[in-house]
Amino acid sequence: RKEVEQDPGPFNVPEGATVAFNCTYSNSASQSFFWYRQDCRKEPKLLMSVYSSGNEDGRFTAQLNRASQYISLLIRDSKLSDSATYLCVVTPGGSYIPTFGRGTSLIVHP
Amino acid sequence: DGGITQSPKYLFRKEGQNVTLSCEQNLNHDAMYWYRQDPGQGLRLIYYSQIVNDFQKGDIAEGYSVSREKKESFPLTVTSAQKNPTAFYLCASSIVRGFHEQFFGPGTRLTVL
Repeated sequence: RKEVEQDPGPFNVPEGATVAFNCTYSNSASQSFFWYRQDCRKEPKLLMSVYSSGNEDGRFTAQLNRASQYISLLIRDSKLSDSATYLCVVTPGGSYIPTFGRGTSLIVHP
Repeated sequence: DGGITQSPKYLFRKEGQNVTLSCEQNLNHDAMYWYRQDPGQGLRLIYYSQIVNDFQKGDIAEGYSVSREKKESFPLTVTSAQKNPTAFYLCASSIVRGFHEQFFGPGTRLTVL
């Protein structure tokens, strides 16, 4: 089983739609969780950190479910500019070396 | 502005040649990393370093070498021993305590001709 798994997609949604991605992780001792966004042929950029209590930033909501070992990202009112690959990142407890998922591709169309 | 710079942005190399990719950061981060990304694939860790003059192999270190003589700099050499060097190379840095997200440079796209 891969340490961090994501559905590669693509998720193809119309503007204004709500879309959700999940990411599962295998190491129950994982402590740090992040969502990154990567545009085509660009570097990944931090989108959100994921806290135990969940967090929200505008149209984006991230949640952590430790019991089921997954994190989620919800995007409301999708924009064309949200089209990108979303990377799930998990860092085990006691380590600073993260593990990246392979990413989920989102395409928002008019 | 604080950040990470990588150079060059595009690099072409002939088979059998070694090439060095530059990575510099002014974020005062202790840890630095090199990743490789192939089309449609995730990031794979090549090398990482927590402190000056110390570094560790990642998952795919064969055919690569690094040095960490300064906190700000972590150059990667792609040697002729690397079988499939054509890829997108990303450098990143982070703190090593707390909630340590990584910050990435813009990447170097290496093509072997």
